[in-house]
Parts: sequence; C-alpha cells; structure tokens
Amino acid sequence: EVQLVESGGGLVQPGGSLRLSCAASGFTYSGFWMSWVRQAPGKGLEWVANINQDGSEKYYVDSVKGRFTISRDSAKNSLYLQMNSLRAEDTAVYYCAREIRSSWYYAFDIWGQGTMVTVSA
Amino acid sequence: EIVMTQSPATLSVSPGERATLSCRASQSVSSNLAWYQQKPGQAPRLLIYGASTRATGIPARFSGSGSGTEFTLTITSLQSEDFAVYYCQQYNNWPPYTFGQGTKLEIK
Repeated sequence: EVQLVESGGGLVQPGGSLRLSCAASGFTYSGFWMSWVRQAPGKGLEWVANINQDGSEKYYVDSVKGRFTISRDSAKNSLYLQMNSLRAEDTAVYYCAREIRSSWYYAFDIWGQGTMVTVSA
Repeated sequence: EIVMTQSPATLSVSPGERATLSCRASQSVSSNLAWYQQKPGQAPRLLIYGASTRATGIPARFSGSGSGTEFTLTITSLQSEDFAVYYCQQYNNWPPYTFGQGTKLEIK
C-alpha cells in the first residue's frame, strides 16, 4: 500500500523549533519530488516547500524562507521539515505529499494524514 | 504569485443534482490546474489534474474544464459522499504552488 505517515508535531513556544518527519512506503520514494503542505485551523491549504529526487533542488514559500528547511533521506524513505523561529501563524496541520510530474502536469497524488503543530506560549 | 479565487464560498445542492464550482486565476495558468476534495478530519484527495483529467479511481461524475484563467469543476448526480470542501491549485508558475480558498459543498 502506498502510504505517507507524518510525525513530530506538537506544542512549541514562539521562537522554538520542531522537526517533522514523513515516512514513505509502498512506492519508489527516490523517484519522486516531495512537498509539505499546511492547513491552519479552519483555513485552506498552503504549500510550504518541496524537494527534488536527490535533494539538490529545494523551494519554499516566502513566509518560511530562512526559517524552515526541507530535506530527505532516500536510505530511510523519509522526508523532513526542520522548523525554526516558529511563530503563532505557523500553527497548522502539516501534510507531506507526493508530487507526480509529467511533461504536461504536476499534482499531489498521495497525502499523509497530517501532523498538528501548535505554536503558543 | 498567482492568486486563485474560488466561488462560491459555500454551495448548497440537493443529492442527485448537479454542482458547478468555479475557480479563477489572477493570470493565465494555461491548463496547469488541479482539483482536490477534502472531507472533515481527512487529508485532501486528488480529483483532477491538467484541468480536465480525472485521477485514478475518481468517478466519471466528476469533470473539470477550462483553461487560461477560468476553470470549472462539475459534479453530476451528487452522492452523499461528495459533500466536502473542494480546492483548486495552480502549478503553472511556481514557486509557490497556490491554492484557492476552497468551496464548501453542502447538502441542501
């Protein structure tokens, strides 16, 4: 079964750090771009960051640049999001998602169940 | 950054009827648009990509159309399991990928 399972969420104080993990199974993880997408409580979806197959390309939404770092370990079939200098507005469910790509389309075809991050004093 | 705007925010439709959801881009995204369905407490699910191609396992009652800046998701003969929030997302100009704010499809 193709599956993504996130972990590492929790309650953290403003200015603190947290590292999210996403374990992939059931597919050739090293063959896909991967993304993090977040959803604040009661709000819509916001793409956060993505990384290519070998980790040589990484992109971020402006609001997290310089604070968040995406990485991956193909030996462990895992995706990570290191979050530093956290702010209240980073409070959200964080999903990892697989990107499918071709010459004419991209899409997030597999999603994890999400992990909740709460930034509060 | 391309801004995606969905309308209406909430759509009330009776089971068995047709629902038409709209998505507008602030500039052309060609056909580089996807649609997702999200039910409460669940992750989003991919419905449509390339503006009109159904993802694997998606029923034929879901169809997407449009190009450029105007897109539509149509759901015919609504089933109880179709009542959810729907998001459009562009991947023409990235980063960042951007999503619409969502349309909640509720039972009338």
